[in-house]
This record gives sequence, structure tokens and C-alpha cells, in this order.
Amino acid sequence: ETGVTQSPTHLIKTRGQQVTLRCSSQSGHNTVSWYQQALGQGPQFIFQYYREEENGRGNFPPRFSGLQFPNYSSELNVNALELDDSALYLCASSLDTLREQFFGPGTRLTVL
Amino acid sequence: AQSVTQLGSHVSVSEGALVLLRCNYSSSVPPYLFWYVQYPNQGLQLLLKYTTGATLVKGINGFEAEFKKSETSFHLTKPSAHMSDAAEYFCAVSDKGNTPLVFGKGTRLSVIA
Repeated sequence: ETGVTQSPTHLIKTRGQQVTLRCSSQSGHNTVSWYQQALGQGPQFIFQYYREEENGRGNFPPRFSGLQFPNYSSELNVNALELDDSALYLCASSLDTLREQFFGPGTRLTVL
Repeated sequence: AQSVTQLGSHVSVSEGALVLLRCNYSSSVPPYLFWYVQYPNQGLQLLLKYTTGATLVKGINGFEAEFKKSETSFHLTKPSAHMSDAAEYFCAVSDKGNTPLVFGKGTRLSVIA
């Protein structure tokens, strides 16, 4: 059984650019959550998608947006990148919104 | 609003010594509590979780944690540290089953030979 995968592994962007991060959920999982982990901090909840609909959002501005596809894979889009967006972005999938989350290895985004 | 406080950003123990990582939480409803471990350049792995029932929870790799409602604590312990336990540990709380998770800032565990 394939676990949660994320791409790319690392990414470098400049301020003002846009970025798309991708997540493939574990087989059979219909829920994907995204977290931002800044250096030296714990992960912070960005939003969750359940069956292609947003199902909760943390305290992040609208330039953070997402998408979930019919196969339950997901994208995180960040517009107008800022230096503070530099972080490890973690994706987690679960069987449904109340079940254990399984985390991917993350995408390290650096904004210069 | 929920929150998690992990006391000590860095804990260092000798190999074979007791590991104790502290976590206190605040929640207005009965909490779901979790401990995750993160190895360098990897994602989070669930060590153990408390939902309901027995307050002493056993997890993987010999770790356990005890939910103490009166102290709003969920400290993580392991009787004997191993070099492979060196990692970052995160305590998390949720009031809706497993999501969304609110994490503490983490405690880096170093194990000295």
C-alpha cells in the first residue's frame, strides 16, 4: 500500500511568485489536510478537503487556496509569495474527517 | 480555542535513561490528544493517541503517555532511551476526532551515548 506522497520535495521561489504543491493521498482515503510548519515551530492547520469540498480552514489568508480532485489527490496553491511563507508544507490524508491522519514527507518551500 | 504547551524545546538524556517529554493542553471540550515524532527530513509519524477510555496509552517504540484531566497534561515517557529515539516530538490536541490538529512547538530529544 502506497503512503502519502508529496511533490516536489524542495522548491525555491521569489517573493510575489505563485506556487503549487501536490499531494497524493493514501489509497482509500477521501480526506486531505494541509499544514504549514515554519522552522522551529509545530505544524499549523491550513485547510482540509473532504470529497472535493473544503471542510475547514485555519487562520491563513485567501492567497492560500486548495483543490481536491476526484481521485482525492490535492493541491495547495499560494499566490503572491512572501518571505514568511518559507516553511515545510505537510499533507495528511485520512479515511474520513474523524480518522487518523497519515502524513507525507512534506515539501520544503524557500521564498527568496 | 485549543492550545498546546510543550515544556522544554530541547531535552537531552543518556542512552538507557528515562525519557520524559511534557505536554499541557487547554481545551473547552473533552480533548483528543496525540504524540507525533518527526525524524529529520521526514513527515510526522503517530506515536500514540488518547481518545476515550483508559488514561494510560501505550504507543509504538516503547513510548506511553498518561492523560491527566485534573492537570490538563499528557506527558510522554519511555523507560529506557535508545539512540534511535533522537528526533523532534510534537504533542497535538483536537476536539473533533482527528482534525484539525493543534500542535505544540515541539521538543527536540537528543540521546547521548
